[in-house]
Amino acid sequence: QVQLQQSGPGLVKPSQTLSLTCVISGDSVSSNSAAWNWIRQSPSRGLEWLGRTYYRSKWSNDYGVSVKSRITINPDTSKNQFSLQLNSVTPEDTAVYYCARSLENPGVLLDIWGQGTMVTVSS
Amino acid sequence: QSVLTQPPSVSAAPGQKVTISCSGSSSNIGKNYVSWYQQLPGRAPKPLIYDNNKRPSGIPDRFSGSKSGTSATLGITGLQTGDEADYYCGTWHSSLRAVVFGGGTKLTVL
Repeated sequence: QVQLQQSGPGLVKPSQTLSLTCVISGDSVSSNSAAWNWIRQSPSRGLEWLGRTYYRSKWSNDYGVSVKSRITINPDTSKNQFSLQLNSVTPEDTAVYYCARSLENPGVLLDIWGQGTMVTVSS
Repeated sequence: QSVLTQPPSVSAAPGQKVTISCSGSSSNIGKNYVSWYQQLPGRAPKPLIYDNNKRPSGIPDRFSGSKSGTSATLGITGLQTGDEADYYCGTWHSSLRAVVFGGGTKLTVL
């Protein structure tokens, strides 16, 4: 049974970096058939996909247009986890952040989700 | 301003049927498969439909999906009060190389 466990601070100051980690159990971050995603949700922006990391003989990333210049998603094979870093945050980045596994069946399906982390950007 | 367009809300009586539409473009729904998610209050989204019309294990056949051109539809029959939730469509956007979602539809079972 695949599970994702998120961790990270719930409060970040403006202009600083938001950092979250998602620990994977029951699957591997190096899986050749899965991708590892970050998604956020706020009342003003709805569900917003932030990006993903995946391994297909080499590591690759895709990032959402709205955060492309500020985001990094990294895998950590030694700990079987992946992380989100979002730089230069503003109050607009206040949201519930989710990590999720996606499969391509062939369509993209976000089939396993983490529990969510409420992150508030405020001084 | 989500990439995919859904009605903000729908409602129907217990036991009835409801459909939720999801409209996109040739760059997303027109080229790719659609998935649907149910989100109960305070919970993470849960997959209901993938590849336009397939159900993950454990999802009852009261839930169905279809796609035509650049639009998709989620159908729910035999409505129950426990179906009250927010429903989201999602798909891959080929030119953006990104997952895109609808703005969500709040289902009320009267």
